[in-house]
Amino acid sequence: AQTVTQSQPEMSVQEAETVTLSCTYDTSENNYYLFWYKQPPSRQMILVIRQEAYKQQNATENRFSVNFQKAAKSFSLKISDSQLGDTAMYFCAFMKLGDNYKLTFGKGTLLTVNP
Amino acid sequence: DAGITQSPRHKVTETGTPVTLRCHQTENHRYMYWYRQDPGHGLRLIHYSYGVKDTDKGEVSDGYSVSRSKTEDFLLTLESATSSQTSVYFCAISGARAGEVYEQYFGPGTRLTVT
Repeated sequence: AQTVTQSQPEMSVQEAETVTLSCTYDTSENNYYLFWYKQPPSRQMILVIRQEAYKQQNATENRFSVNFQKAAKSFSLKISDSQLGDTAMYFCAFMKLGDNYKLTFGKGTLLTVNP
Repeated sequence: DAGITQSPRHKVTETGTPVTLRCHQTENHRYMYWYRQDPGHGLRLIHYSYGVKDTDKGEVSDGYSVSRSKTEDFLLTLESATSSQTSVYFCAISGARAGEVYEQYFGPGTRLTVT
């Protein structure tokens, strides 16, 4: 079974600064996807970014980028130019291919962006 | 936004009573999932469906059953609610097909309190 670990329960950052959220995972699989989801106070789960394990290039989406280190089984999320609207719970998630596209989530990191 | 609704959005019930939560989608997606979210645990998979009448257990399935009689509806039933089932329940859908990967889209969640 896969496990996903987010070692930072809470983090804070000043508006306009950069912050990095950590995620490590444990798997014996070679083909998988990794995701970061955001959950603002509204409770809605929103996909932030995804990474295919076979791709060496790190995924980027506007101010969000990942540092994917496959050998180290690490998948961190970097948020640049933090905005107040980035305040949310962030979940890292793992998807094993060929397993009905199920997700295994980490426990989450609560990010607070301070003005 | 993906067309996913959950009903009810909030419910308070007493220990020992049966409860059914409904997830309805308008996307005609094949895969549907039920998760529960608890502080310190992230999201954990309860049950999932990979087609009409095709369902399987997830990580925390004890005390829950599901049914899917048509593509658009996925029901989660607590046969006899217990206080440990107080949680926020999320439904998710995925349009994944063989050879492709689609992220999961989440409904707005149902907050269930068992007293």
